[in-house]
Amino acid sequence: KAGVTQTPRYLIKTRGQQVTLSCSPISGHRSVSWYQQTPGQGLQFLFEYFSETQRNKGNFPGRFSGRQFSNSRSEMNVSTLELGDSALYLCASSLTVTSGTGELFFGEGSRLTVL
Amino acid sequence: GENVEQHPSTLSVQEGDSAVIKCTYSDSASNYFPWYKQELGKGPQLIIDIRSNVGEKKDQRIAVTLNKTAKHFSLHITETQPEDSAVYFCAARWDKIIFGKGTRLHILP
Repeated sequence: KAGVTQTPRYLIKTRGQQVTLSCSPISGHRSVSWYQQTPGQGLQFLFEYFSETQRNKGNFPGRFSGRQFSNSRSEMNVSTLELGDSALYLCASSLTVTSGTGELFFGEGSRLTVL
Repeated sequence: GENVEQHPSTLSVQEGDSAVIKCTYSDSASNYFPWYKQELGKGPQLIIDIRSNVGEKKDQRIAVTLNKTAKHFSLHITETQPEDSAVYFCAARWDKIIFGKGTRLHILP
């Protein structure tokens, strides 16, 4: 069974640009969550999608957005990049919404560097 | 608001000794407390979890304890081995799963 796939794995952008990251969940999983990981802040919740609907959103500015498609694949977008957006962006899938039971299965992440 | 505090941020123990990582959570409405292990270059992976109707749970060398009154839960690793070196995250679930900031565990030879 294939795991969670995130693309691209590494990318470098400059300030002011925008970026789109992609996540393909485990087959059959309908919930996708996104987290930002930085050395000082650990794993910070960005948002969660279930059946193409955003269920929850973390405390990030509106420059961070996402969506989910009918096949459960998800994308997140960051516009007008800032230096502080440099981080590892992790996607996690689960069978049901994370307010229910169930384990989060993480991808290996997309490492974004903003210059 | 919903928050999880984790301590220590870094922990070094001799191989064979025990390691303990502690977490507190802000809102008693949480009822599920998972622990994740992240190895270098990989995403976090669930290693053990505990629900609010249970005080302790063990899985081989790993155990988790929960004190709901104090809103406190801990991870205990006994007989540590080199492969236990990793970053460990505690978490609590409300309408979403919130993670602590992580503990980098070093196992010293």
